Amino acid sequence: GNSVTQMEGPVTLSEEAFLTINCTYTATGYPSLFWYVQYPGEGLQLLLKATKADDKGSNKGFEATYRKETTSFHLEKGSVQVSDSAVYFCALRESGGGADGLTFGKGTHLIIQP
Amino acid sequence: SAVISQKPSRDICQRGTSLTIQCQVDSQVTMMFWYRQQPGQSLTLIATANQGSEATYESGFVIDKFPISRPNLTFSTLTVSNMSPEDSSIYLCSVEVRSTDTQYFGPGTRLTVL
Repeated sequence: GNSVTQMEGPVTLSEEAFLTINCTYTATGYPSLFWYVQYPGEGLQLLLKATKADDKGSNKGFEATYRKETTSFHLEKGSVQVSDSAVYFCALRESGGGADGLTFGKGTHLIIQP
Repeated sequence: SAVISQKPSRDICQRGTSLTIQCQVDSQVTMMFWYRQQPGQSLTLIATANQGSEATYESGFVIDKFPISRPNLTFSTLTVSNMSPEDSSIYLCSVEVRSTDTQYFGPGTRLTVL
């Protein structure tokens, strides 16, 4: 079956530091990959996505590249802000849409200190 | 995207009772899903809510415990039946908009079972 593995948190960084949150996946086909973010007290929001190998998703200064050879989709940001403090979830969905829901990783709690 | 609302936003229930959660979308969508997020955990897909037919349940979830209705393309309900404290979770509705291969999530219903 499908699975997503992401680094355990919490991850604590200082403001303006470089961020990497690792995500690797196992899937039977060619999935679409997603990063969702959950800010304190808010609902789950789509941050970025990539639907095929070598695609790069980007949003709000965050980037992630779909690496089929390493089955990875690591999230990066060059300079984090206090407002980036949140829980980040990596997720996949089997290709072809259809009736498949998302398979989520366990989430990484990111804390940015001023 | 889509605007998704859920009712109730939170509830505290007694063991052995049932609670029905409503999910309303502001536009017609093809796919609707229900997820559970247990305390400190990731999201797990419960089922796909199919319009006009029985829901499709994931392994470990059964219709008697989590009956789902979807009478039209903008509305669905999830019932948590015969509740126990282990059912205390956040329950989230999600929708896919026009085969975009992207799911958007409602704000969630926080359920506490005593």
